[in-house]
Amino acid sequence: NAGVTQTPKFQVLKTGQSMTLQCAQDMNHEYMSWYRQDPGMGLRLIHYSVGAGITDQGEVPNGYNVSRSTTEDFPLRLLSAAPSQTSVYFCASSYGGEGSYEQYFGPGTRLTVT
Amino acid sequence: GQQVMQIPQYQHVQEGEDFTTYCNSSTTLSNIQWYKQRPGGHPVFLIQLVKSGEVKKQKRLTFQFGEAKKNSSLHITATQTTDVGTYFCAGPGGSYIPTFGRGTSLIVHP
Repeated sequence: NAGVTQTPKFQVLKTGQSMTLQCAQDMNHEYMSWYRQDPGMGLRLIHYSVGAGITDQGEVPNGYNVSRSTTEDFPLRLLSAAPSQTSVYFCASSYGGEGSYEQYFGPGTRLTVT
Repeated sequence: GQQVMQIPQYQHVQEGEDFTTYCNSSTTLSNIQWYKQRPGGHPVFLIQLVKSGEVKKQKRLTFQFGEAKKNSSLHITATQTTDVGTYFCAGPGGSYIPTFGRGTSLIVHP
């Protein structure tokens, strides 16, 4: 199993550009989530999904969209990039449900917005 | 989700010294998880604690969950350079998606 994969690994955008960060998992996990990591701020939840067709907002959802059309994929869209979105983005998945909380993280995407 | 506060933010130790990071919540937690992130890497799950007063060990790492289930700690005995990284605790959030603390960065000096 590849686990959780993310593409691209690095990306530089100009302010106002849009892009999609890709995330896929091959563990048949129901739950998937997106976090951003900034120095000293830990991991902050952007959006999450508890199954195909179901998404919800996390702590810092503004400026981001998600969709979950399949169990495997959970892309994150930046609508109009801003310098404040410069960060490291991690996708994670978990089996889901009570008692199964372990999160499996992807390798991350390092995004710079100039 | 339930907020978890983690201290200290940074800890410098000499190799061979012990290290402890603490995680605190104002509310009772149903569970607490611990993760390790190596520099430049991604968080990796270490353990989950569920029971009041629970203590679990992984080699030189000892994890504790408080009796009131409002605090937890991770203790590393005789640190090694391979222990370098950031350690995160995570409490339960909405829909079983965890809420992470800000992490403690461990720097080990050889």
